[in-house]
Amino acid sequence: SSELTQDPAVSVALGQTVRITCQGDTLRAYFASWYQQKPRQAPVLVIFGKNNRPSGIPDRFSGSSSGNTASLTITGAQAEDEADYYCNSRDTTNNHVIFGGGTKLTVL
Amino acid sequence: QVHLQQWGAGQLKPSETLSLTCGVSGGSLSVYFWSWIRQPPGKGLEWIGQINHDGSTNYKSSLQSRVRISVDTPNNQFSLKLTSVTAADTAIYYCARGLVANELDHWGQGTLVTVSS
Repeated sequence: SSELTQDPAVSVALGQTVRITCQGDTLRAYFASWYQQKPRQAPVLVIFGKNNRPSGIPDRFSGSSSGNTASLTITGAQAEDEADYYCNSRDTTNNHVIFGGGTKLTVL
Repeated sequence: QVHLQQWGAGQLKPSETLSLTCGVSGGSLSVYFWSWIRQPPGKGLEWIGQINHDGSTNYKSSLQSRVRISVDTPNNQFSLKLTSVTAADTAIYYCARGLVANELDHWGQGTLVTVSS
């Protein structure tokens, strides 16, 4: 089965730009979606498809993809962006949904 | 506005059956995909399975023998059953709506299920 790999932790200075990556062979076929999860809250979808933001998600969040790597970029990170971020996609062999292990973002 | 509200027992003994229901308001179950996801304490998200708008189901391979997801269209809700639970099934369980399988745009509030003797 497919896997999605994320760096466990990333940090960014307040107001700077940070890129969180997600790697996996399935990303050559399917776009990743990205979720933000704050402590004791349900995940929130922040990016889906090629680079789509649900209503209410700030435009400092953007997504991109190249080869087997999907990226979530936060341009001008804010203190409230400190959270865990998960990517997900679909397994090409059985259409199961798979999640990356998550990246803990710290805003310094 | 779509809203997912979930409920079910939060304390189980080993070998019992986990049963959770997710009620959907502001949208129809006859479109989109309807998933269950869980998160063990302090760990990442794990997809359990989903039921599609056409009624077909898809389950994580390692759970397939124990899991069943069903839909109750008249009451606009869908349910998760997981049999023969063990301590390893202790987690926060979420229901979610998928625009497509992996675009989960609305989530329930989560239910902590603890399996302990």
